[in-house]
Amino acid sequence: SQKIEQNSEALNIQEGKTATLTCNYTNYSPAYLQWYRQDPGRGPVFLLLIRENEKEKRKERLKVTFDTTLKQSLFHITASQPADSATYLCALDEDSGNTPLVFGKGTRLSVIA
Amino acid sequence: NAGVMQNPRHLVRRRGQEARLRCSPMKGHSHVYWYRQLPEEGLKFMVYLQKENIIDESGMPKERFSAEFPKEGPSILRIQQVVRGDSAAYFCASSPPNSGSSIEQYFGPGTRLTVT
Repeated sequence: SQKIEQNSEALNIQEGKTATLTCNYTNYSPAYLQWYRQDPGRGPVFLLLIRENEKEKRKERLKVTFDTTLKQSLFHITASQPADSATYLCALDEDSGNTPLVFGKGTRLSVIA
Repeated sequence: NAGVMQNPRHLVRRRGQEARLRCSPMKGHSHVYWYRQLPEEGLKFMVYLQKENIIDESGMPKERFSAEFPKEGPSILRIQQVVRGDSAAYFCASSPPNSGSSIEQYFGPGTRLTVT
């Protein structure tokens, strides 16, 4: 069966450290993988997209990797801050755009000052 | 440049009533998606629409649920004869016309439906 799993339900880290979140998938062949941030009571906000032929993508303190052999994406936040505390969702896109996304359940990140 | 708008933000219905959720996509966006998020669950796709067309409704329950995106006006998700299990946050997302590469989706703030 098809699955997308974010291994940690919750992750607590100290301010200034690097947070690493994991997204694994089974029986999908995603063309793209996206990461979103969701704050309590709000809709998800797009952060980064990485294509199947890209190994790594960066945006400011964020870095995403995509390993199609391992069927895994890692999401890193460097120099984490309390304001980074939120739930982070990974989402698969199986086609080349304008298709429904398949979401993981999310990892709730808490950055402790 | 308004984002995706959803209303109402909170909706309380008694069992058996109808719920109507509205979504206005971002300006220039012609694709609308509805997702449902249950407590402690991930976002689940329900339906994908373009103007006047349902493209994919594979995630929509077969009964009581319907969606439309008319030529004029917002997209509407309609739930008839609501039951307690329909209580959830319903999110709408929009994206622009396909440019040949994957486009991120822009989400609204959601409508929190509570069935009493």
